[in-house]
Amino acid sequence: GAVVSQHPSWVICKSGTSVKIECRSLDFQATTMFWYRQFPKQSLMLMATSNEGSKATYEQGVEKDKFLINHASLTLSTLTVTSAHPEDSSFYICSARGETDQPQHFGDGTRLSIL
Amino acid sequence: EDQVTQSPEALRLQEGESSSLNCSYTVSGLRGLFWYRQDPGKGPEFLFTLYSAGEEKEKERLKATLTKKESFLHITAPKPEDSATYLCAVLRNYGGSQGNLIFGKGTKLSVKP
Repeated sequence: GAVVSQHPSWVICKSGTSVKIECRSLDFQATTMFWYRQFPKQSLMLMATSNEGSKATYEQGVEKDKFLINHASLTLSTLTVTSAHPEDSSFYICSARGETDQPQHFGDGTRLSIL
Repeated sequence: EDQVTQSPEALRLQEGESSSLNCSYTVSGLRGLFWYRQDPGKGPEFLFTLYSAGEEKEKERLKATLTKKESFLHITAPKPEDSATYLCAVLRNYGGSQGNLIFGKGTKLSVKP
C-alpha cells in the first residue's frame, strides 16, 4: 500500500520552456503533498507544501512564480517549472501524506535537465 | 535551531557483518521519527515510524530504536542488496522555516559480498 507515482521520470528540454511534473497517490487519499528538490549527494530540500484545494505554501527562497503547484484533488498534485533555465536542472521528488503524523510516501523522482 | 544529524556519512560492511546507523536530533517537540531507504536515482522508500522513546520496530534484517535524543537503525547480517542511503527524518511540532519534517543527510551503506 501507500504508492505514489511520479511522471515523467526524466525530462530533457530547451531553456525557456515550461515543464509539468505529475504526482499521484494511487491507493490512498493524500491530504497533503510535498515537493522536494535534491542536489547530488545532498539530502532533500523542501520546496513547498500543498493541501488539496488550497494554495501551496512555499519555503523561503523558492520562487512561487517559477514553481507553480496545483493540488486539485486528493490524489493529484502537479509542479510546473515555468521558463526553465539550466540552473533549474535537478532531481525533483514529490511525496504524499494522509493524516498529519503519518509518514510521507515518496514518488521515484523526476530528473530535469535543461539545455 | 532544530537539527538532525546522521552518522557515519558512509559505512562499508562485509556481507554478514552487523552494524548500526545513528540519527541524533535536537528538535522542539518531537512528533515522530521516520527511517527511509533511498536507492540511487529513486525517491525514498518508507521503512519505519517511531513515535515515542523506547519504541522499537523490526523488518527483516533491520531494527529501529528510539530514545529521547537519538535513533538507531541496526542491520543484522546485511546482504549486498541492503546497500543504499538510509535517511532519518524527524517530524516536529510546528512548521518553522523547513516545514514539519527535517531530514538528515543520510548514511550511505555499502555491503560487499
